[in-house]
Amino acid sequence: ILNVEQSPQSLHVQEGDSTNFTCSFPSSNFYALHWYRWETAKSPEALFVMTLNGDEKKKGRISATLNTKEGYSYLYIKGSQPEDSATYLCAVNDYKLSFGAGTTVTVRA
Amino acid sequence: NAGVTQTPKFQVLKTGQSMTLQCAQDMNHNSMYWYRQDPGMGLRLIYYSASEGTTDKGEVPNGYNVSRLNKREFSLRLESAAPSQTSVYFCASSEEYRNTEAFFGQGTRLTVV
Repeated sequence: ILNVEQSPQSLHVQEGDSTNFTCSFPSSNFYALHWYRWETAKSPEALFVMTLNGDEKKKGRISATLNTKEGYSYLYIKGSQPEDSATYLCAVNDYKLSFGAGTTVTVRA
Repeated sequence: NAGVTQTPKFQVLKTGQSMTLQCAQDMNHNSMYWYRQDPGMGLRLIYYSASEGTTDKGEVPNGYNVSRLNKREFSLRLESAAPSQTSVYFCASSEEYRNTEAFFGQGTRLTVV
């Protein structure tokens, strides 16, 4: 079982501010790093799947980077809005998909 | 465009009862997963099926069994429910077991009393 760690566990950010948080994982046996957005009372939805060291992906105001050599990924939210409030999960593929515990983001208006 | 469908959405069981959670996907995906979600613990993998005809244990398989009935369907069975199995269960599928995003069902909220 892959040990996927996310930090911080939760954070509060003022509307309009930018924020970022971390996912760390064992760098061996790595196939892909996933980010999911999980809103309350809904199911997780994929944001990004990244496979290569140095990958950077962007969707609107949300972006992610990947460092497979040192085993971490950052997720960035630029100009946070209340609708960005959610739990952000990262997951790592080897033969299965193993998730971290998530970072819960609360954006205050 | 159903995606991943789980049934039931809610269930209350008495300790010792058995039940099967059903999951079906209509995206022709090869890989399917069962997770449980408990407060503060994210999603923990119970069992997975990398492809039709194969199943493997995940992080927390004790007390559960699975069947990959065909490419579409992956069921999770609790043979003798325990209060520790009170949780929200999610089924997910992906095109392949690596490098492709997972799609989730709506979840089953199970309470064992």
